[in-house]
Amino acid sequence: GAGVSQSPRYKVAKRGQDVALRCDPISGHVSLFWYQQALGQGPEFLTYFQNEAQLDKSGLPSDRFFAERPEGSVSTLKIQRTQQEDSAVYLCASSFVTWGFGDEQFFGPGTRLTVL
Amino acid sequence: GENVEQHPSTLSVQEGDSAVIKCTYSDSASNYFPWYKQELGKGPQLIIDIRSNVGEKKDQRIAVTLNKTAKHFSLHITETQPEDSAVYFCAGTGTASKLTFGTGTRLQVTL
Repeated sequence: GAGVSQSPRYKVAKRGQDVALRCDPISGHVSLFWYQQALGQGPEFLTYFQNEAQLDKSGLPSDRFFAERPEGSVSTLKIQRTQQEDSAVYLCASSFVTWGFGDEQFFGPGTRLTVL
Repeated sequence: GENVEQHPSTLSVQEGDSAVIKCTYSDSASNYFPWYKQELGKGPQLIIDIRSNVGEKKDQRIAVTLNKTAKHFSLHITETQPEDSAVYFCAGTGTASKLTFGTGTRLQVTL
């Protein structure tokens, strides 16, 4: 079956522009995570959704970052007024289990954001 | 929160040799420890995981061991092949589902 998909795969933005990154999780997966991966580093947690509820946004680096999952399926990560330090790969992952239980997270291919 | 440390950062082995990657974690409440393989331009892919009620798990050439007392866990790859070349990440969950990743190990298997 289809895995997690993300679009666009690559995004180049000028400093100060707004960007929107899309994630299509595996159908039926309750949990959805966003991670940020800087070059040469491990992914770092940004935010978590259980269905449409955003239960944890402790990893969002500033109020310029906003995520939503209005119908409990597709999610969008929005970054306003992009800065050079926002350049990274943004990974989306989904999981069948609910919050509090560790289980496999299926990752998408990521969106590579470059802010000039 | 959880803190995961991983070493070595790079590892080069000859084809057929074994590779070992080690991680330590800080949160004694962590109960789930996955290992992910990431190839260039792709998202991480789970290769094996272990839960805190198990000390060792094996899947063909890959094995993971967990020492809860010492708070460390290790990945063992035997009979390495060129296609094993990638970046490997360990991770822990702390008290929630979000993963805290190590900094990664770049494994290169040479012919």
